[in-house]
Amino acid sequence: NAGVTQTPKFRILKIGQSMTLQCAQDMNHNYMYWYRQDPGMGLKLIYYSVGAGITDKGEVPNGYNVSRSTTEDFPLRLELAAPSQTSVYFCASSQDRGLIYEQYFGPGTRLTVT
Amino acid sequence: QKEVEQNSGPLSVPEGAIASLNCTYSDRVSQSFFWYRQYSGKSPELIMSIYSNGDKEDGRFTAQLNKASQYVSLLIRDSQPSDSATYLCAVNKGGANSKLTFGKGITLSVRP
Repeated sequence: NAGVTQTPKFRILKIGQSMTLQCAQDMNHNYMYWYRQDPGMGLKLIYYSVGAGITDKGEVPNGYNVSRSTTEDFPLRLELAAPSQTSVYFCASSQDRGLIYEQYFGPGTRLTVT
Repeated sequence: QKEVEQNSGPLSVPEGAIASLNCTYSDRVSQSFFWYRQYSGKSPELIMSIYSNGDKEDGRFTAQLNKASQYVSLLIRDSQPSDSATYLCAVNKGGANSKLTFGKGITLSVRP
């Protein structure tokens, strides 16, 4: 199993550009999450999904969109990139093990908006 | 009060010592508690999870949970330089809510 994979690893965007961060998992997990991590800060939840076709906002959803058309994939879309979106983005997945949700993370995407 | 709070760091211990990392949480309904290790430039890695009051041991790691006092701690025995990393505490409220709330993390440095 590859676990959770993310592409690209690094990206530099100009202000106003758009891009999609890809996330895939091969563990058949129902739950998937997108976080951002800024230096010295913890992880902030952007969006999450409890299954294909179901998504919901997290703590910091503004400027982002998601979709979940399959169990495996959970792409994050940035529209009109802004310098405030410079961050490291992590995708994670988990499964319901008797209402216990251990999340497993992908390697991350380091995004710079200039 | 922050939902999940980790005591201020960074923490520095000599090799072979016990490192003690603490975390408090504000929501009494919290059910599941996790410790993640994050090396610089890498993603968080789950190292311990605990759901019941008391201690849970896994190798050199011991997680301790006290729901009445709303704290969870991580002890690392015989600390090694390879344990130098940031440790993130995460809390889940349980039920159908699968979301985790993370603390800011504490950076541990193990001196050879």
